Amino acid sequence: EDQVTQSPEALRLQEGESSSLNCSYTVSGLRGLFWYRQDPGKGPEFLFTLYSAGEEKEKERLKATLTKKESFLHITAPKPEDSATYLCAVQVFQGAQKLVFGQGTRLTINP
Amino acid sequence: NAGVTQTPKFQVLKTGQSMTLQCAQDMNHNSMYWYRQDPGMGLRLIYYSASEGTTDKGEVPNGYNVSRLNKREFSLRLESAAPSQTSVYFCASGQAYEQYFGPGTRLTVT
Repeated sequence: EDQVTQSPEALRLQEGESSSLNCSYTVSGLRGLFWYRQDPGKGPEFLFTLYSAGEEKEKERLKATLTKKESFLHITAPKPEDSATYLCAVQVFQGAQKLVFGQGTRLTINP
Repeated sequence: NAGVTQTPKFQVLKTGQSMTLQCAQDMNHNSMYWYRQDPGMGLRLIYYSASEGTTDKGEVPNGYNVSRLNKREFSLRLESAAPSQTSVYFCASGQAYEQYFGPGTRLTVT
């Protein structure tokens, strides 16, 4: 069964304190790994897709990396506006491109 | 370019009532999806449509039906709402290595 596990469930940091979020997965046929940001009361906002082990992508203070079993979302010198829930999902192909989501990491950045 | 739009934003139903959630996308995507999001459960796929004219069950399809009206529109119907269907519902569309979400419908069944 395809599974995605994110850790930690919640993380509280001080502004400027860098850290990483983890997403580990077991899937039968990985087509891609997605990262989303979700603010309270809103839909998930697409951040990155990673396709193969060793790939890295960056956007402002965020950098996503991928290995064969897990992905990391590194947050460098975060600001309060980076506070959100970060969702990881793996894309599998079962008749259509489908996403299997982890439960998310709730990130809070204190000023 | 509105992306993915959903109506309504909020809805309260009594047990046994029916309703249809509407979704439309303007990105010319072939695939569309309906998810529900519950605390502690993450996002779970209800139904999806790989292309116009096709629909298939996801992880939690019981109690729901869908219609892919055309390439742009994909609706989700609750025929007889139950309290267990209280949730936030998200529509998404995508193709290849991208999938984009709408703003969600918050549904409460009393």
